[in-house]
Amino acid sequence: QVTLKESGPALVKPTETLTLTCTVSGFSLSSARMGVSWIRQPPGKALEWLAHIFSNDEKVYSASLKSRLTISRDTSKSQVVLTMTNMDPLDTATYYCARKWYSGTLDAFDFWGQGTVVTVSS
Amino acid sequence: DIQMTQSPSSLSASVGDTVTITCRASRSLNTYLNWYQQQPGKAPRLLIYGAVSLQSGVPSRFSASASGTDFTLTISRLQPEDSATYYCQQTFITPPWEFGLGTKVEIK
Repeated sequence: QVTLKESGPALVKPTETLTLTCTVSGFSLSSARMGVSWIRQPPGKALEWLAHIFSNDEKVYSASLKSRLTISRDTSKSQVVLTMTNMDPLDTATYYCARKWYSGTLDAFDFWGQGTVVTVSS
Repeated sequence: DIQMTQSPSSLSASVGDTVTITCRASRSLNTYLNWYQQQPGKAPRLLIYGAVSLQSGVPSRFSASASGTDFTLTISRLQPEDSATYYCQQTFITPPWEFGLGTKVEIK
């Protein structure tokens, strides 16, 4: 059974660094044709893709947030970590991690975590 | 970057109705277009992948089609549990893998 679960602080102050952890089970982070992304959703707004780590440890980032984001993984712990520096109230959102699987015509986020709400406020 | 234009932004329909949601891409996506359902307070759920393929476990009243850069999600025999926001997303070539702005479906 594939599951993903996000964890991290619910509240951060402006200018602080946010660190979120996605713990996965039911698949390996180094399995071919799989990867994990972070996606966020501000209250009442649309989904925004942030960053992705491929099975070969290659990383890609949203161009608009690239300077503030770092994605990494610990395969032994089945965890993917996202850090976002210089947090701003506009970064208040629900943050999701999701598995991306590509096989044939399937190239989509097929499993999602429940999301973790992060509020940026002093 | 590829831009995704989704319409309408919201709609209201009755149980049993058929509704259609459209997503237009700014360039060809081949068939790398997915549809997700997000019920209130929940994480998104994959409904359709590869433009037209139904994800396992998704009711058959959901269907999709594609024509060039235009993609359509159809919900037949609308049910109360279909009240949600629906997003299209492209996964063509390299990131960013943009989502549309969403279509909120309300049941009258």
